[in-house]
Amino acid sequence: NAGVTQTPKFQVLKTGQSMTLQCAQDMNHEYMSWYRQDPGMGLRLIHYSVGAGITDQGEVPNGYNVSRSTTEDFPLRLLSAAPSQTSVYFCASSRQGSHTSDTQYFGPGTRLTVL
Amino acid sequence: DAKTTQPTSMDCAEGRAANLPCNHSTISGNEYVYWYRQIHSQGPQYIIHGLKNNETNEMASLIITEDRKSSTLILPHATLRDTAVYYCIAFTGTASKLTFGTGTRLQVTL
Repeated sequence: NAGVTQTPKFQVLKTGQSMTLQCAQDMNHEYMSWYRQDPGMGLRLIHYSVGAGITDQGEVPNGYNVSRSTTEDFPLRLLSAAPSQTSVYFCASSRQGSHTSDTQYFGPGTRLTVL
Repeated sequence: DAKTTQPTSMDCAEGRAANLPCNHSTISGNEYVYWYRQIHSQGPQYIIHGLKNNETNEMASLIITEDRKSSTLILPHATLRDTAVYYCIAFTGTASKLTFGTGTRLQVTL
């Protein structure tokens, strides 16, 4: 298994540009999430999904859109990039919501800079 | 989810046990305590979790006090590769909604 993969690893955008961060998992996990991590800070939840076709907002959803058309993929779209969105973005997945198997598996991250 | 409090940083000599404390005094009865770590800006890595009883796996041990208001993560023989930020999280609900604080930065030294 490749686990959770994210592309691209690095990205530089100009203010106002849009782009999509890709996330895929091959573990057949129902739950997927997007986090952002600013320098020296902990992770903050952007959006999450409990299954294909179902998404919900996290702590910091503004400026981001998500969709979940398949179990495997959970792309994150930046609608109009702003310098405040400069961050490292992590995607994560987990099998289900039960506490007995609630381990989240994280991808390697996408480092985004918005000029 | 209950708020957790951790020291900002700790040092540990290589080969010694690293004991990382976490305070979660407002934890409710159905909230689990989870520990993750993040090595040098990589994605966080699951370590261990527990509810009431002490837990041990191949990476670490988790000691939860009887009143569940605090816990300690123990790395029995710390190595340089254990240098990381360690996050203690108390929560209930879906795994998709983990809330990470700023964690404890553990520095393992020779």
